[in-house]
Amino acid sequence: ETGVTQTPRHLVMGMTNKKSLKCEQHLGHNAMYWYKQSAKKPLELMFVYSLEERVENNSVPSRFSPECPNSSHLFLHLHTLQPEDSALYLCASSHLGQTGTEAFFGQGTRLTVV
Amino acid sequence: DAKTTQPTSMDCAEGRAANLPCNHSTISGNEYVYWYRQIHSQGPQYIIHGLKNNETNEMASLIITEDRKSSTLILPHATLRDTAVYYCILRAINTGTASKLTFGTGTRLQVTL
Repeated sequence: ETGVTQTPRHLVMGMTNKKSLKCEQHLGHNAMYWYKQSAKKPLELMFVYSLEERVENNSVPSRFSPECPNSSHLFLHLHTLQPEDSALYLCASSHLGQTGTEAFFGQGTRLTVV
Repeated sequence: DAKTTQPTSMDCAEGRAANLPCNHSTISGNEYVYWYRQIHSQGPQYIIHGLKNNETNEMASLIITEDRKSSTLILPHATLRDTAVYYCILRAINTGTASKLTFGTGTRLQVTL
């Protein structure tokens, strides 16, 4: 248990569906992240939210839409995905403004697009 | 952030020390060395980090060479539950910036009986 909770743990969706992934942390952190891990590939940073403002979007297709309504919650809205978007989606959180601080990861959502 | 080089895989007998090397010859002065591990299909787990001094916590020890161009993560008594992919990551620390991590392919450690 890392203090970062992701739901659902598993999700199967069709290419025309709309779904959302949820991440919640109660660690008092003020930065949150979405990472993607495809099969046999390194983790890739998708989005960074700092103090609830998106500060980085690493060329992610618009079919992925993040939302950070407050410092404890982060969503990833999904629509019209492709089969190649099937992956493990990981949420993380950390403190800002502190040197040497580590990021805590959730257990991830295993997404399968059919 | 600068790049790191790690062996693709390593084996270790249970109960023995596991020494995982990492080369980071282009490390900058403001970059920390972080280690994370990822057990199959779970989220990465923070292990330890350091700047230039050796560090130890309840999970592991981190030895950083004096020139900071390489480091070694030591698991003193490996168990089967330590089987995972271990990532060595460099991260520049600037107060007020987010903790972005650039993951490589890591070292797959297999602990055996």
